[in-house]
Amino acid sequence: NAGVTQTPKFRVLKTGQSMTLLCAQDMNHEYMYWYRQDPGMGLRLIHYSVGEGTTAKGEVPDGYNVSRLKKQNFLLGLESAAPSQTSVYFCASSYGGGNTAKNIQYFGAGTRLSVL
Amino acid sequence: AQTVTQSQPEMSVQEAETVTLSCTYDTSESDYYLFWYKQPPSRQMILVIRQEAYKQQNATENRFSVNFQKAAKSFSLKISDSQLGDAAMYFCGIRGGSEKLVFGKGTKLTVNP
Repeated sequence: NAGVTQTPKFRVLKTGQSMTLLCAQDMNHEYMYWYRQDPGMGLRLIHYSVGEGTTAKGEVPDGYNVSRLKKQNFLLGLESAAPSQTSVYFCASSYGGGNTAKNIQYFGAGTRLSVL
Repeated sequence: AQTVTQSQPEMSVQEAETVTLSCTYDTSESDYYLFWYKQPPSRQMILVIRQEAYKQQNATENRFSVNFQKAAKSFSLKISDSQLGDAAMYFCGIRGGSEKLVFGKGTKLTVNP
């Protein structure tokens, strides 16, 4: 099983450019998440989705947009990249919500983004 | 709001020895679970262990175990018989009734041969 796959793995942008990060999961999970990881900050939730066609804001949503047009895919968009968005981005998915063992979050390998 | 504090930015242990990573949390919810994720240099986030708050018995997974003190809001991770492959960043976290996981800032564990 591929699990959670993120593309691309690395990207360098210039300030003001736009791009989309793709997350795909093959576990038929309902819930998907986007996090960013910065040195000394742990992981912080950007946006998440509890099902196809739904999205919700997390802790640090400004400057990002997301879409969940298909259950298996969760896209993270940067419309006008800024140096403050230089980070490592992680996608995760889970079977559902609630605090049961089956709702563990599975993570992708991350995307390292640099904005110059 | 939920918060997670990992007070040890870095820890080191000798191979085959035991090390304990500290984590404290704060939440107003009664139904939540706690977890530890490991992030080796490959960047992959790997679930190490989880604990439901309603369970009194401490969770164990092979060489990994937790000391869950609910009243003190403490959730430490003990790694026994440390191996070189245990070297990684370790993140403690909590998830309550919302869909959001809240992570601590991490502890970098070095294992010395």
